[in-house]
Amino acid sequence: DQQVKQNSPSLSVQEGRISILNCDYTNSMFDYFLWYKKYPAEGPTFLISISSIKDKNEDGRFTVFLNKSAKHLSLHIVPSQPGDSAVYFCAATLRYGGSQGNLIFGKGTKLSVKP
Amino acid sequence: GAVVSQHPSRVICKSGTSVKIECRSLDFQATTMFWYRQFPKKSLMLMATSNEGSKATYEQGVEKDKFLINHASLTLSTLTVTSAHPEDSSFYICSASIASQETQYFGPGTRLLVL
Repeated sequence: DQQVKQNSPSLSVQEGRISILNCDYTNSMFDYFLWYKKYPAEGPTFLISISSIKDKNEDGRFTVFLNKSAKHLSLHIVPSQPGDSAVYFCAATLRYGGSQGNLIFGKGTKLSVKP
Repeated sequence: GAVVSQHPSRVICKSGTSVKIECRSLDFQATTMFWYRQFPKKSLMLMATSNEGSKATYEQGVEKDKFLINHASLTLSTLTVTSAHPEDSSFYICSASIASQETQYFGPGTRLLVL
């Protein structure tokens, strides 16, 4: 059973508008969450992360929101740019769970930003 | 900072041969390195976790005798696909993390095609 779910396989947004990528998780023990961006045939690039003790983290155009009660996080990109077009992966981990930092990934959401 | 390289980026080999993929952390010492595999239109699947100087920990279903992992130094881990078969054709990605940090930094990936 998937512990990290990205229910939208794709998202299309107009340049300049806000992109909102969603992610749900089932394991309430997860305490650290990350977003990665991936282009075809390349490794994922780290974007932004958030600890479970926070509900928001912002870095430039990227903001991640965490709603622990709903086990939901989202990545906001504003304003969206054509260069943001890529697959975005949500990942979760247990910091102190003895899992050696294993990341559990969602299936990804393909974002297309149209000029 | 936090750059991870992989070599080769692409390899084509005959069935039955062995292929070695290198993963290097270029500007930091990686206490832990991870090996992932990505199937088309699927998420990243963790294959194994390796700590420098110790045996790798393999995920369930991953054959340790087929996918040999060596983490000989704090900057180098290798994955050897032994007796490769066409079904081993995939995109292999490594990542590395710095001690006490949850963020993993990914290499660019290696595309393996077994004929």
